[in-house]
Amino acid sequence: QEQLVQSGAEVKKPGASVKVSCKASGYTFTSYYMHWVRQAPGQGLEWMGIINPTGGSTTYADKFQGRVTMTRDTSTSTVYMELSSLRSDDTAIYYCARWEVGTDDALDYWGQGTLVTVSS
Amino acid sequence: DIQMTQSPSTLSTSVGDTVTITCRASQSISSWLAWYQQKPGKAPKLLIYKASSLESGVPSRFSGSGSGTEFTLTISSLQPDDFATYHCQQYNSHPYNFGQGTKLEIK
Repeated sequence: QEQLVQSGAEVKKPGASVKVSCKASGYTFTSYYMHWVRQAPGQGLEWMGIINPTGGSTTYADKFQGRVTMTRDTSTSTVYMELSSLRSDDTAIYYCARWEVGTDDALDYWGQGTLVTVSS
Repeated sequence: DIQMTQSPSTLSTSVGDTVTITCRASQSISSWLAWYQQKPGKAPKLLIYKASSLESGVPSRFSGSGSGTEFTLTISSLQPDDFATYHCQQYNSHPYNFGQGTKLEIK
């Protein structure tokens, strides 16, 4: 069955970086774009960016430009999201979610989320 | 950037009621709108895509409508399992922004 399994919770100090992984299984990895979405405690959903697993091209929300890097490893069907220069307001649950290439569908399958806590 | 505004933020309602949630876009997004349901501690779940298409496995009491800048999610005959937070998202152009969410509460 299709699965997106994310790495475990992280605690980081301000100014540090965090790298979250999202391993896909049960479907053709290159047939779906991968998005990253975050949710601060008690807040709504915030779109961060998208990666094309085929060529690795990315588009990031302006808010995160220069601080976020999304990469993929096709040999392990894994996507990574690295966020640098962490601040306390980066404390959030980070989700990966897939979107089938060339369809009208939206984010049809989500990872379980990774809690990143930024605290001194 | 396209801004998405949902209303209301909170809705107190009862089992068996029919409810409507509205999502407005700051500019036209054609029909590129999705609705998600999220329960506490869980990832969002896709309900509706392309404004009115029901995702496979989603009960038919959920329906979506609209195009351009105004969209609605209607839930008919509310079930206990439907009390959750609902989010809209535009995917017409980057960034694919979400609305702020609407929480359905039991009256």
